[in-house]
Amino acid sequence: SQKIEQNSEALNIQEGKTATLTCNYTNYSPAYLQWYRQDPGRGPVFLLLIRENEKEKRKERLKVTFDTTLKQSLFHITASQPADSATYLCALDPGGYNDMRFGAGTRLTVKP
Amino acid sequence: NAGVTQTPKFRILKIGQSMTLQCTQDMNHNYMYWYRQDPGMGLKLIYYSVGAGITDKGEVPNGYNVSRSTTEDFPLRLELAAPSQTSVYFCVCTGTNTGELFFGEGSRLTVL
Repeated sequence: SQKIEQNSEALNIQEGKTATLTCNYTNYSPAYLQWYRQDPGRGPVFLLLIRENEKEKRKERLKVTFDTTLKQSLFHITASQPADSATYLCALDPGGYNDMRFGAGTRLTVKP
Repeated sequence: NAGVTQTPKFRILKIGQSMTLQCTQDMNHNYMYWYRQDPGMGLKLIYYSVGAGITDKGEVPNGYNVSRSTTEDFPLRLELAAPSQTSVYFCVCTGTNTGELFFGEGSRLTVL
């Protein structure tokens, strides 16, 4: 069956450290993958998109990698801040009309 | 621009009642989606539309119906509400089939 698994439900790190979130998938062949941030009581907000022919993408303190052999994407936040505390969702394209499939999310808490 | 607007934000229904979640977008995007989000389960696609007059089922369409008579509006109809439909519902749009998704703020529905 098709699955999207994000490494852990919750991740706690100290301010200034790098947070690394994992997204693994099975029985999908996505052309691209996206990462979203969701704050409590709000809708998800788009962060980054990475395509299957791209190994890495960066945006300010964010970095995403995409390994189609391992069927895995890693999402890094460097120099993390308490304001980065949120739930982060990965989503991939199952090959249709951008009807993205989402992982359950990882709740990141950055402690001062 | 308001983006994606959903109403109502909160609603309590009795088992067997029906209701419509309204969604309108002012981004002139062709692609629209309805997702539901349950704790620990990730976002699940209910229905989607690639343009006015065209709709299709997602992963979990049972118990729901949609229509798309205009580019702007994509209402979601719940017939004969059941406790299993207690969830947070998100209306989403995008301008392309490979781009970022724009989420509404969500509609929290409780069926008792």
